[in-house]
Amino acid sequence: AQSVTQPDIHITVSEGASLELRCNYSYGATPYLFWYVQSPGQGLQLLLKYFSGDTLVQGIKGFEAEFKRSQSSFNLRKPSVHWSDAAEYFCAVAPSNTGKLIFGQGTTLQVKP
Amino acid sequence: GAVVSQHPSWVICKSGTSVKIECRSLDFQATTMFWYRQFPKQSLMLMATSNEGSKATYEQGVEKDKFLINHASLTLSTLTVTSAHPEDSSFYICSARPGLAGGPAGGELFFGEGSRLTVL
Repeated sequence: AQSVTQPDIHITVSEGASLELRCNYSYGATPYLFWYVQSPGQGLQLLLKYFSGDTLVQGIKGFEAEFKRSQSSFNLRKPSVHWSDAAEYFCAVAPSNTGKLIFGQGTTLQVKP
Repeated sequence: GAVVSQHPSWVICKSGTSVKIECRSLDFQATTMFWYRQFPKQSLMLMATSNEGSKATYEQGVEKDKFLINHASLTLSTLTVTSAHPEDSSFYICSARPGLAGGPAGGELFFGEGSRLTVL
């Protein structure tokens, strides 16, 4: 069965520091991959997505993610974190053309001043 | 960008009552919408796929008689939690993808802001 794992439940970084959130998926073929961000009590906003082509994907708010087929990973990165980046981050896969998403457990990002 | 709106954003009800949550795509049409449930500090779980003009497709373990889904038009899907109980308290989120049946696969999903249900 398809699955998504975000190994880090909670991460704390200092403002201005770099960030990497990990995501691993289990799927037989290359799925569609997504990163979403959720602020407290709110819905989800798409940060970026990967379907095919260049394995380094640029997203909004200065985020990027790299698809590594050999590692079944799609880690999210940002070179310099801002206090407003504090939120819950979800990695997700869409293993077929149905539009259904399978979400990881989420990673809570806390930013220290 | 495309906007998906949910209403109400939060609702409190007594145990045994039914609650309806609306999901509207404001500036696009979607034959398919999705309903997710999110427990506190947990991930989102797909509950069902809402199909315009036909019955919803429920994920395994989701009670279709408890969670009634109606996709009445190309811009509106409703989720009714029937005879709600405290264990139904949760954050319900819908999503929709612009386009009609047979459209491009993997298109961006737009999420509503969510509806928080508290059953007393």
